[in-house]
Amino acid sequence: RKEVEQDPGPFNVPEGATVAFNCTYSNSASQSFFWYRQDCRKEPKLLMSVYSSGNEDGRFTAQLNRASQYISLLIRDSKLSDSATYLCVVQTGTGRRALTFGSGTRLQVQP
Amino acid sequence: NAGVTQTPKFRVLKTGQSMTLLCAQDMNHEYMYWYRQDPGMGLRLIHYSVGEGTTAKGEVPDGYNVSRLKKQNFLLGLESAAPSQTSVYFCASSNLSPGELFFGEGSRLTVL
Repeated sequence: RKEVEQDPGPFNVPEGATVAFNCTYSNSASQSFFWYRQDCRKEPKLLMSVYSSGNEDGRFTAQLNRASQYISLLIRDSKLSDSATYLCVVQTGTGRRALTFGSGTRLQVQP
Repeated sequence: NAGVTQTPKFRVLKTGQSMTLLCAQDMNHEYMYWYRQDPGMGLRLIHYSVGEGTTAKGEVPDGYNVSRLKKQNFLLGLESAAPSQTSVYFCASSNLSPGELFFGEGSRLTVL
Protein backbone atom coordinates (compact mmCIF):
# COMPACT_ATOMS: atom_id res chain seq x y z
CA ARG A 1 0.00 0.00 0.00
CA LYS A 2 1.29 3.45 -0.90
CA GLU A 3 2.00 5.81 1.97
CA VAL A 4 -0.13 8.51 0.37
CA GLU A 5 -2.87 7.63 -2.09
CA GLN A 6 -4.92 9.85 -4.35
CA ASP A 7 -7.47 9.18 -7.05
CA PRO A 8 -5.62 10.24 -10.21
CA GLY A 9 -8.80 11.44 -11.92
CA PRO A 10 -9.28 13.30 -14.12
CA PHE A 11 -12.21 15.02 -12.53
CA ASN A 12 -14.07 16.83 -15.30
CA VAL A 13 -16.44 19.45 -13.89
CA PRO A 14 -18.30 22.45 -15.34
CA GLU A 15 -17.50 25.97 -14.28
CA GLY A 16 -19.26 26.89 -11.06
CA ALA A 17 -19.37 23.33 -9.76
CA THR A 18 -18.19 22.18 -6.38
CA VAL A 19 -15.62 19.40 -6.40
CA ALA A 20 -13.90 17.48 -3.62
CA PHE A 21 -10.78 15.36 -3.55
CA ASN A 22 -9.69 12.93 -0.88
CA CYS A 23 -6.24 11.73 0.00
CA THR A 24 -5.56 8.80 2.31
CA TYR A 25 -2.37 8.20 4.25
CA SER A 26 -1.15 5.00 5.84
CA ASN A 27 0.97 6.18 8.77
CA SER A 28 -1.12 7.12 11.78
CA ALA A 29 1.88 9.02 13.20
CA SER A 30 1.72 11.57 10.36
CA GLN A 31 1.83 15.06 11.75
CA SER A 32 1.38 17.71 9.08
CA PHE A 33 -0.57 17.82 5.86
CA PHE A 34 -0.55 20.05 2.82
CA TRP A 35 -2.12 20.53 -0.57
CA TYR A 36 0.06 21.64 -3.45
CA ARG A 37 -1.12 22.68 -6.88
CA GLN A 38 0.80 21.80 -10.04
CA ASP A 39 -0.13 23.24 -13.42
CA CYS A 40 0.67 21.23 -16.54
CA ARG A 41 4.45 21.08 -17.07
CA LYS A 42 5.06 23.51 -14.22
CA GLU A 43 6.45 23.26 -10.73
CA PRO A 44 4.31 22.46 -7.67
CA LYS A 45 3.25 25.39 -5.50
CA LEU A 46 1.86 25.33 -1.99
CA LEU A 47 -1.91 25.81 -2.04
CA MET A 48 -2.66 25.46 1.64
CA SER A 49 -1.75 23.69 4.82
CA VAL A 50 -4.32 21.45 6.45
CA TYR A 51 -5.01 22.03 10.12
CA SER A 52 -6.74 19.69 12.55
CA SER A 53 -9.66 22.08 12.90
CA GLY A 54 -10.00 22.47 9.16
CA ASN A 55 -9.24 25.67 7.31
CA GLU A 56 -10.63 27.76 4.53
CA ASP A 57 -9.01 30.09 2.03
CA GLY A 58 -11.55 31.74 -0.22
CA ARG A 59 -13.18 29.06 -2.35
CA PHE A 60 -10.90 26.34 -0.98
CA THR A 61 -11.55 24.31 2.16
CA ALA A 62 -9.22 21.68 3.56
CA GLN A 63 -10.14 19.17 6.23
CA LEU A 64 -8.35 16.47 8.15
CA ASN A 65 -9.88 13.25 9.50
CA ARG A 66 -7.28 11.58 11.69
CA ALA A 67 -9.54 8.70 12.70
CA SER A 68 -9.99 7.62 9.09
CA GLN A 69 -6.58 8.90 8.01
CA TYR A 70 -7.58 11.10 5.15
CA ILE A 71 -7.49 14.73 4.17
CA SER A 72 -9.81 16.44 1.76
CA LEU A 73 -9.84 19.49 -0.46
CA LEU A 74 -13.10 21.14 -1.44
CA ILE A 75 -13.25 23.68 -4.24
CA ARG A 76 -16.41 25.74 -4.57
CA ASP A 77 -17.52 27.72 -7.61
CA SER A 78 -14.85 26.15 -9.83
CA LYS A 79 -13.04 28.42 -12.29
CA LEU A 80 -11.32 27.48 -15.52
CA SER A 81 -8.09 28.58 -13.84
CA ASP A 82 -8.51 25.88 -11.20
CA SER A 83 -7.63 23.25 -13.82
CA ALA A 84 -4.45 21.65 -12.48
CA THR A 85 -3.16 18.62 -10.62
CA TYR A 86 -3.55 18.74 -6.84
CA LEU A 87 -0.88 17.01 -4.81
CA CYS A 88 -1.43 15.75 -1.30
CA VAL A 89 1.66 15.97 0.90
CA VAL A 90 2.07 14.30 4.27
CA GLN A 91 4.80 14.84 6.83
CA THR A 92 5.65 11.90 9.05
CA GLY A 93 8.39 12.11 11.64
CA THR A 94 11.09 14.70 11.61
CA GLY A 95 13.87 15.61 9.32
CA ARG A 96 14.11 16.50 5.68
CA ARG A 97 13.13 13.03 4.49
CA ALA A 98 9.80 13.19 6.20
CA LEU A 99 7.64 14.57 3.37
CA THR A 100 5.74 12.12 1.18
CA PHE A 101 3.97 13.31 -1.96
CA GLY A 102 0.89 11.71 -3.45
CA SER A 103 0.85 11.24 -7.21
CA GLY A 104 -1.84 13.87 -7.61
CA THR A 105 -5.45 14.29 -8.70
CA ARG A 106 -6.07 16.03 -11.99
CA LEU A 107 -8.91 18.52 -12.23
CA GLN A 108 -10.24 19.81 -15.53
CA VAL A 109 -12.81 22.60 -15.30
CA GLN A 110 -14.81 22.97 -18.50
CA PRO A 111 -16.66 26.02 -19.82
CA ASN B 1 11.67 37.58 -8.20
CA ALA B 2 14.05 34.77 -9.20
CA GLY B 3 13.32 32.39 -6.27
CA VAL B 4 14.67 28.98 -7.30
CA THR B 5 16.37 28.68 -10.68
CA GLN B 6 17.34 25.43 -12.38
CA THR B 7 19.65 24.95 -15.33
CA PRO B 8 19.43 23.46 -17.85
CA LYS B 9 15.69 23.25 -18.49
CA PHE B 10 16.04 20.43 -21.03
CA ARG B 11 18.76 17.93 -21.81
CA VAL B 12 19.11 14.77 -23.87
CA LEU B 13 21.89 12.38 -22.93
CA LYS B 14 23.16 9.09 -24.23
CA THR B 15 23.52 6.16 -21.87
CA GLY B 16 26.78 6.43 -19.97
CA GLN B 17 27.22 10.18 -20.35
CA SER B 18 27.54 12.43 -17.34
CA MET B 19 25.95 15.76 -16.54
CA THR B 20 25.28 18.20 -13.74
CA LEU B 21 22.05 20.01 -12.93
CA LEU B 22 22.46 23.34 -11.16
CA CYS B 23 19.99 24.77 -8.68
CA ALA B 24 20.33 28.29 -7.34
CA GLN B 25 18.12 30.04 -4.79
CA ASP B 26 18.18 33.66 -3.71
CA MET B 27 15.96 33.40 -0.62
CA ASN B 28 18.78 32.56 1.81
CA HIS B 29 17.11 29.24 2.60
CA GLU B 30 19.02 26.69 4.64
CA TYR B 31 17.43 23.58 3.18
CA MET B 32 17.60 22.43 -0.40
CA TYR B 33 16.26 19.31 -2.11
CA TRP B 34 16.37 17.42 -5.37
CA TYR B 35 13.26 15.48 -6.43
CA ARG B 36 12.36 13.49 -9.47
CA GLN B 37 8.84 13.21 -10.85
CA ASP B 38 7.71 10.32 -13.00
CA PRO B 39 4.24 9.65 -14.48
CA GLY B 40 1.85 8.07 -11.99
CA MET B 41 4.26 8.55 -9.12
CA GLY B 42 4.60 11.24 -6.57
CA LEU B 43 7.67 13.41 -6.25
CA ARG B 44 10.49 11.30 -4.84
CA LEU B 45 13.36 12.76 -2.88
CA ILE B 46 16.80 12.02 -4.31
CA HIS B 47 19.14 13.98 -2.02
CA TYR B 48 18.82 16.93 0.27
CA SER B 49 20.95 19.39 2.20
CA VAL B 50 20.33 21.04 5.55
CA GLY B 51 23.03 23.67 5.10
CA GLU B 52 26.16 24.68 3.27
CA GLY B 53 28.63 21.82 3.11
CA THR B 54 26.10 19.15 4.10
CA THR B 55 24.26 16.57 2.01
CA ALA B 56 22.18 13.51 2.79
CA LYS B 57 20.46 10.70 0.92
CA GLY B 58 16.79 10.72 0.23
CA GLU B 59 14.46 8.00 -0.95
CA VAL B 60 16.07 7.26 -4.34
CA PRO B 61 19.76 8.32 -4.20
CA ASP B 62 21.36 5.59 -6.31
CA GLY B 63 23.05 6.85 -9.47
CA TYR B 64 23.17 10.46 -8.28
CA ASN B 65 25.60 12.62 -6.36
CA VAL B 66 25.18 16.11 -4.95
CA SER B 67 27.24 18.96 -3.61
CA ARG B 68 26.46 22.15 -1.70
CA LEU B 69 29.63 24.18 -1.64
CA LYS B 70 27.74 27.46 -1.38
CA LYS B 71 24.54 28.07 0.54
CA GLN B 72 22.68 29.31 -2.52
CA ASN B 73 23.65 26.45 -4.86
CA PHE B 74 22.81 22.74 -4.88
CA LEU B 75 24.24 20.60 -7.68
CA LEU B 76 22.90 17.23 -8.81
CA GLY B 77 25.26 15.02 -10.77
CA LEU B 78 24.70 11.94 -12.89
CA GLU B 79 28.02 10.17 -13.38
CA SER B 80 26.82 7.54 -15.86
CA ALA B 81 23.32 8.22 -17.09
CA ALA B 82 20.86 5.36 -17.55
CA PRO B 83 17.48 5.31 -19.37
CA SER B 84 15.81 4.79 -15.95
CA GLN B 85 16.94 8.30 -15.05
CA THR B 86 14.73 9.82 -17.72
CA SER B 87 12.53 12.07 -15.64
CA VAL B 88 11.63 15.59 -14.66
CA TYR B 89 13.90 16.86 -11.91
CA PHE B 90 12.79 19.53 -9.48
CA CYS B 91 14.93 21.44 -7.07
CA ALA B 92 13.29 22.98 -4.01
CA SER B 93 14.30 25.04 -1.03
CA SER B 94 12.78 25.80 2.34
CA ASN B 95 13.60 27.74 5.44
CA LEU B 96 11.88 26.36 8.50
CA SER B 97 8.85 24.22 7.78
CA PRO B 98 9.48 21.19 5.56
CA GLY B 99 5.99 21.54 4.20
CA GLU B 100 6.56 24.93 2.61
CA LEU B 101 8.77 24.12 -0.31
CA PHE B 102 9.63 26.53 -3.09
CA PHE B 103 10.30 24.71 -6.33
CA GLY B 104 12.27 25.55 -9.42
CA GLU B 105 10.64 25.22 -12.84
CA GLY B 106 12.03 21.74 -13.42
CA SER B 107 14.61 20.16 -15.69
CA ARG B 108 13.48 17.59 -18.25
CA LEU B 109 16.11 14.95 -18.79
CA THR B 110 15.93 12.22 -21.43
CA VAL B 111 18.48 9.43 -21.48
CA LEU B 112 18.60 7.45 -24.72
